Amino acid sequence: EVQLVESGGGLEPPGRSLRLSCSSSGFSFGDYAMGWFRQAPGKGLEWIAFIKSNTYNGATEYAASLKGRFTISRDDSKSVVYLQINGLKSEDTAVYFCTRGGRKDYESNSYYSWFDTWGQGALVTVSS
Amino acid sequence: DIVMTQSPDSLAVSLGERASFNCKSSQSVLWDSNSQNYLAWYQQKPGQPPKLLIYWASAREPGVPDRFSGSGSGTDFTLTISSLQAEDVAVYYCQQYFSIPYTFGQGTKLEIK
Repeated sequence: EVQLVESGGGLEPPGRSLRLSCSSSGFSFGDYAMGWFRQAPGKGLEWIAFIKSNTYNGATEYAASLKGRFTISRDDSKSVVYLQINGLKSEDTAVYFCTRGGRKDYESNSYYSWFDTWGQGALVTVSS
Repeated sequence: DIVMTQSPDSLAVSLGERASFNCKSSQSVLWDSNSQNYLAWYQQKPGQPPKLLIYWASAREPGVPDRFSGSGSGTDFTLTISSLQAEDVAVYYCQQYFSIPYTFGQGTKLEIK
């Protein structure tokens, strides 16, 4: 069974840094792009970033409004994807979801992809 | 950025009846080189993560009941539930993956009439 489990969320004061982790199992992690999304309380979904597989040299893409404070990375040896958030702001309060790209990168005829598997999410609350 | 607009914001449908959700993109999400529409639909139930229903605008994700179908091309898309079941109560989102940043519609909340 394909599983994604986020960790590292919690209550942090503004200005701090936080690293979320997403542990995966049940699939060949290194073959897939991975992504992060978030959802503020009572709001819709927002894409943050994705990181491609080694097929695309681990290329990354970010939402422009978040680039600079957010960094996505992956460790294929551990089947883990990370999201580093620096300079936390109150508006970063949200549930953060880890996701898997919809198709193995080397099987896809497209750089861009939907996301077929989502973790349960990690709640990040930014408050003093 | 591509703006995704869903309608209606909420929908109440009787059990067994058809439910339709609309999604309009501010520019075409059809890629001419592969003739694919870069459009996905997700279902989100309260307290749960989103679940992928449809990708490439009309391809049903394995395991998704066949009462769910997607249609449309270019800028106008529809998700249809052919016969509403009680477990379909959720918020439904469309999302484009044609260009960065990936963007979502605001969601349509489905309730039982």
